[in-house]
Amino acid sequence: GENVEQHPSTLSVQEGDSAVIKCTYSDSASNYFPWYKQELGKGPQLIIDIRSNVGEKKDQRIAVTLNKTAKHFSLHITETQPEDSAVYFCAARGNQGGKLIFGQGTELSVKP
Amino acid sequence: GAGVSQSPRYKVAKRGQDVALRCDPISGHVSLFWYQQALGQGPEFLTYFQNEAQLDKSGLPSDRFFAERPEGSVSTLKIQRTQQEDSAVYLCASSFRGVNTEAFFGQGTRLTVV
Repeated sequence: GENVEQHPSTLSVQEGDSAVIKCTYSDSASNYFPWYKQELGKGPQLIIDIRSNVGEKKDQRIAVTLNKTAKHFSLHITETQPEDSAVYFCAARGNQGGKLIFGQGTELSVKP
Repeated sequence: GAGVSQSPRYKVAKRGQDVALRCDPISGHVSLFWYQQALGQGPEFLTYFQNEAQLDKSGLPSDRFFAERPEGSVSTLKIQRTQQEDSAVYLCASSFRGVNTEAFFGQGTRLTVV
């Protein structure tokens, strides 16, 4: 079945710096790749997603890139702010049903 | 409603007790998913409904876990004879039209089995 690997597990940056989180997936049939932000005690919040017919998508300070050949996708956060501190999860969804397969998570800490 | 609503937020159960967790999806959302999230881990898929039909239950860890969505809206995840390894956050998500749309998560129910 599908497997999603996420790196790094923890990431600490200074406010204003950029942060990059990378994920790889195993199932070449996967066609939808969302990113979620999870704050302590809350459910995952969708922040951006990308479909397999697109190579890059940007929304203000957040961008996601997808390399289908290499089966990896990345989240880029620019001009980080302390409120970006949270756990970020990547996920992949194939064409067999709607379930998402999640990575292990990255704990991002943005220091003021 | 404005978002996916789950209740209770917290549940403490004695080992061997049965529990029922409720999910109210976003109004009009066809698909509903249950995930289990262990401490420090990513959510893991349990089961998936499209309207009232349970289309995938491959992630349910044992026959002690049972989910239903009888009228195609509210769903209940039931765990019988709870064990300590069932302690986790149980997340519900819904999406509008099934497999090709975004999934939105509720706050989760934190289950602690003592």
